[in-house]
Amino acid sequence: QTVVTQEPSLTVSPGGTVTLTCVSSTGAVTSGYYPNWFQQKPGQAPRALIYSTDRIYSWTPARFSGSLLGGKAALTLSGVQPEDEAEYYCLLYFGGVQPWVFGGGTKLTVL
Amino acid sequence: EVRLVESGGGLVQPGGSLRLSCAASGFTVSGNFMTWVRRAPGKGLEWVSTIYSGGARHYVDSVKGRFTISRDNYKNTVYLQMNSMRAEDTAVYHCARGVDTPVGLSVDYWGQGTLVTVSS
Repeated sequence: QTVVTQEPSLTVSPGGTVTLTCVSSTGAVTSGYYPNWFQQKPGQAPRALIYSTDRIYSWTPARFSGSLLGGKAALTLSGVQPEDEAEYYCLLYFGGVQPWVFGGGTKLTVL
Repeated sequence: EVRLVESGGGLVQPGGSLRLSCAASGFTVSGNFMTWVRRAPGKGLEWVSTIYSGGARHYVDSVKGRFTISRDNYKNTVYLQMNSMRAEDTAVYHCARGVDTPVGLSVDYWGQGTLVTVSS
C-alpha cells in the first residue's frame, strides 16, 4: 500500500519562509505524479493551491509556490501571513486502480 | 461560475445505505474526472473514488465492493452510493472536479461537503 508522508506540524513566524514536503513510499516524486497541494481551514472545504508540481491557479496567492526538491514534492510559503495558518495536504497520482493518494497533512502554525 | 453542491448525508446505522449527490454547475461532469474525498473526525483527507470522463471508475480498497460512483449527464450530477456502511465510513464527504490539463492533472474546485455519520 502506497503511503505519502508529510511533516505533521510546522511553525513559522509571520513574514518568514517555510517549506512543506511530500514524500512517496514508492521512491522519488517526479512531475509524473502531478503533485497537487491544498489548504484546509477548520469548517471549510479544501482549497486548491498548486497543481502539476508548480502550476498556480488564478486565486493562488503569489507567496505560495510548488517545486520538486530532492525527490520530494514541496510547497513553499514566502512572507507568511497569519491567515496562512491551516492544514496543508499534498495529493499524488500513481495511476493504476488506486490512482490517488493524499499525504497525511501538515498543520502549519503561524506564531 | 463553477459550483459543486453535495447533499444526501445524514445518520445511518451500521450495515445501512446512503446515496450522496454532487450537483455541478458551470461545467459538465462528463467532460472532467470527478472525485469523492472524505475526512473522518481527527483524520486527514482520504481519496475515496473517481469517475473519469471515459467512464472508468476507481475506488480506495476500504470501500471497494461497497461504494459505487456514477454520474447522470443530464442532471450534471455525480453520485456515491454507499452500502454495507461501517462506523469507519463516518466523515465529511466532499466532491471535487478534476481536469486533465495540457500540463498535467488538476483537482481544482471542491464542494463544501456533506456529513455522514454511521452509528447505531
